[in-house]
Amino acid sequence: GAGVSQSPSNKVTEKGKDVELRCDPISGHTALYWYRQSLGQGLEFLIYFQGNSAPDKSGLPSDRFSAERTGGSVSTLTIQRTQQEDSAVYLCASSLALAGGGYTFGSGTRLTVV
Amino acid sequence: EDQVTQSPEALRLQEGESSSLNCSYTVSGLRGLFWYRQDPGKGPEFLFTLYSAGEEKEKERLKATLTKKESFLHITAPKPEDSATYLCAVQASLGAQKLVFGQGTRLTINP
Repeated sequence: GAGVSQSPSNKVTEKGKDVELRCDPISGHTALYWYRQSLGQGLEFLIYFQGNSAPDKSGLPSDRFSAERTGGSVSTLTIQRTQQEDSAVYLCASSLALAGGGYTFGSGTRLTVV
Repeated sequence: EDQVTQSPEALRLQEGESSSLNCSYTVSGLRGLFWYRQDPGKGPEFLFTLYSAGEEKEKERLKATLTKKESFLHITAPKPEDSATYLCAVQASLGAQKLVFGQGTRLTINP
């Protein structure tokens, strides 16, 4: 596609429920990244994919968070047993490998846990 | 630990009033320093990559410069459409692909 597509754009969920956030990167971009942006905070790295493998998942905050990427394309970030502190905007970005940081970001999924 | 600090947190300027935003960093070997622009409700938009001290990049009214400890984003004769949050990020040279972001400077240009 022309840009990075994320869905849903907004998600309100009850504490304790599981949620899945989807990212559709730019066609041909082999690198895919998930970041989290909390209110008043900078972007926090979560996980990086190169193709279907995740060489760096050091930013996942707990074992409630997991992500996968299939076919070198679409990625899903899953949060199990959501907590209120998980409320944030989850941003996905993609790039050509070693693209010098010139990621293209999606518009994000705003997650609210009530 | 790699760190990025941006100042000021917020800046209000009149249209045409030039100024600079600061990004100070500590990193274990700099692979690149990046500037992004973020509008409300949208993802960050890539502006510049700087790789070595002394390097400068320009785009319209924006110019980014880099030293060994900090980067500046100079904005010349800004217009209201330049209002946004400007984010600085660094990438360490030790094999990491991730970017470490600062908290951003929220820039408002009044007409």
